[in-house]
Amino acid sequence: ETGVTQTPRHLVMGMTNKKSLKCEQHLGHNAMYWYKQSAKKPLELMFVYNFKEQTENNSVPSRFSPECPNSSHLFLHLHTLQPEDSALYLCASSQGLAGGGGANVLTFGAGSRLTVL
Amino acid sequence: AQSVTQLDSHVSVSEGTPVLLRCNYSSSYSPSLFWYVQHPNKGLQLLLKYTSAATLVKGINGFEAEFKKSETSFHLTKPSAHMSDAAEYFCVVGPSFSGGYNKLIFGAGTRLAVHP
Repeated sequence: ETGVTQTPRHLVMGMTNKKSLKCEQHLGHNAMYWYKQSAKKPLELMFVYNFKEQTENNSVPSRFSPECPNSSHLFLHLHTLQPEDSALYLCASSQGLAGGGGANVLTFGAGSRLTVL
Repeated sequence: AQSVTQLDSHVSVSEGTPVLLRCNYSSSYSPSLFWYVQHPNKGLQLLLKYTSAATLVKGINGFEAEFKKSETSFHLTKPSAHMSDAAEYFCVVGPSFSGGYNKLIFGAGTRLAVHP
């Protein structure tokens, strides 16, 4: 275990469903991230939260709605998704913003595999 | 602007032989550089990072990488492959370690296969 826990590990949903992905970190980190990993494509940054405040929304469609109630928890609420949204969704955390001064590195969870039918 | 290119999408080696995974980067300033590994059904794990100190960086599991500014490369090597090294490897470029926050740029990944 890396200290970043994602649930559920697998999720199958229809296009009209509403579901949520959950991420929890026990590392005392202040920044949390959602990434999308699709087959044959580079990792795509979706959202960044620093001290519970959203600092990055990488032009993500509104059918993905993040929520960060505190520095330890991050959610991704899903509604009316499309089949092309099927992917592995990775949560990560870092002590400060990744790549910034201090060499903050990302710690990833194992991911939530989402299939949209 | 920054970019990163992993020159091989697939690399296949025999167990006990050397591993070379190639990565070139582009950056208008001295970057930070990382290698991450992803085993099947797992998240990404940090292998090593370049912090602008030593150009030869040693990581976990016997991996190391050398920062070559003149060649804009950060290739990952291991003297002797083990079956457990089979995974996908990602080269990542980020801002200078003394600089402000910026997005990390992930390469497309290199899938390493290790044969008995």
